[in-house]
Amino acid sequence: EVQLVQSGAEAKKPGESLKISCKVSGYSFTSYWIGWVRQMPGKGLEWVGIIYPGDSATTYSPSFQGQVTFSVDNSISTAYLQWNSLKASDTAIYYCARHDSGCSSTTCYTLIDYWGQGTQVTVSA
Amino acid sequence: DIQMTQSPSSLSASVGDRVTITCRASQGINNYLAWFQQKPGKAPKSLIYAASSLHSGVPSKFSGTGSGTDFTLTIRSLQPEDFATYYCQQYKSWPLTFGGGTRVEIK
Repeated sequence: EVQLVQSGAEAKKPGESLKISCKVSGYSFTSYWIGWVRQMPGKGLEWVGIIYPGDSATTYSPSFQGQVTFSVDNSISTAYLQWNSLKASDTAIYYCARHDSGCSSTTCYTLIDYWGQGTQVTVSA
Repeated sequence: DIQMTQSPSSLSASVGDRVTITCRASQGINNYLAWFQQKPGKAPKSLIYAASSLHSGVPSKFSGTGSGTDFTLTIRSLQPEDFATYYCQQYKSWPLTFGGGTRVEIK
């Protein structure tokens, strides 16, 4: 059974750093992309970006480029989302999500199939 | 970026109703379209990919159609557990982008 289990809720102050985790099981960690999705309070879903554990290749959505960092530890099948200096506007639930991938004759794609349970990040003075 | 527009943003329906949600892409995305269901306080759940293919375990009461720029999600015989927010998402190109969501409420 595929499972993505995220770390617990965090309460931080502006300017602090934070690293949240997503531990996977039930499949080969290095064979699938792992992405992150943000949901601000009362709002919709926003794709943050994606990392391929096989070679640590990353792509960030332009809205998040330079604001967060993805990393992985293949030895424990865990992906991470990190901030160096949090802002109040980072307050949100962050979901990790496994992305399946494939290619047609013209396009290669990644699509979300499994989700973590979410990590609440609260940033307040 | 490809913009995704869902309509309506919310709807009220009764148990047993058939509901349809529309999603429009700002440019052609072939059939690289997914649908997700999110219940309050829960993580999203993947329902449909490739515009019309059901993920494993998703009941056949959910169906999707469309190609190019216009897509629909239909829920047949609405049940209490189907009341949730539904999101479409294009995955033709990065960054992946979601529609704004459609909240399905009990009438």
